[in-house]
Amino acid sequence: KNEVEQSPQNLTAQEGEFITINCSYSVGISALHWLQQHPGGGIVSLFMLSSGKKKHGRLIATINIQEKHSSLHITASHPRDSAVYICAVSGNQFYFGTGTSLTVIP
Amino acid sequence: DTEVTQTPKHLVMGMTNKKSLKCEQHMGHRAMYWYKQKAKKPPELMFVYSYEKLSINESVPSRFSPECPNSSLLNLHLHALQPEDSALYLCASSQEAGALNEQFFGPGTRLTVL
Repeated sequence: KNEVEQSPQNLTAQEGEFITINCSYSVGISALHWLQQHPGGGIVSLFMLSSGKKKHGRLIATINIQEKHSSLHITASHPRDSAVYICAVSGNQFYFGTGTSLTVIP
Repeated sequence: DTEVTQTPKHLVMGMTNKKSLKCEQHMGHRAMYWYKQKAKKPPELMFVYSYEKLSINESVPSRFSPECPNSSLLNLHLHALQPEDSALYLCASSQEAGALNEQFFGPGTRLTVL
């Protein structure tokens, strides 16, 4: 069993749709990270959070520490949001989820 | 300067070659990391340097040899690699090595071992 589970694995959406990606973890953590990876490699850190909610532009990340669950929401999705979104948690170690591949169709 | 740079972008090498990957950051970060990522898999941590000293080695084969010559630079020396070592190698840095530190990633070096 992975320490970090993400769902869904793959997601296809129409441009403009509201998107939610979920992350559950089973270990004690100090922080949870949402990362974005475009085809070709580079990883961008979107959020690091240890409680509550953060918003950046059209992206919103929430975390529920008691339930060991986080969600990443994308409002008014756009084709340029197409990427792999990775949830990772940091505590004693850094654990990555297996990623959610998002395709937004115009 | 808020970026991590990696060179080269692509590298093709034979199993008998010796090559090096380079990573640089000028954000004053004191922790630097090497990750290996196979296609459609999450990154796997290889090494962590904290204050230029190796603090974590995740049982990586000795054909991978990291080096941190100064606080801005991290190298990964490659020797006698196997085809299964073909992957994207990512470098990252953070203010300090610790759970509450956001990591900044470089664009990666795509390595092919023939």
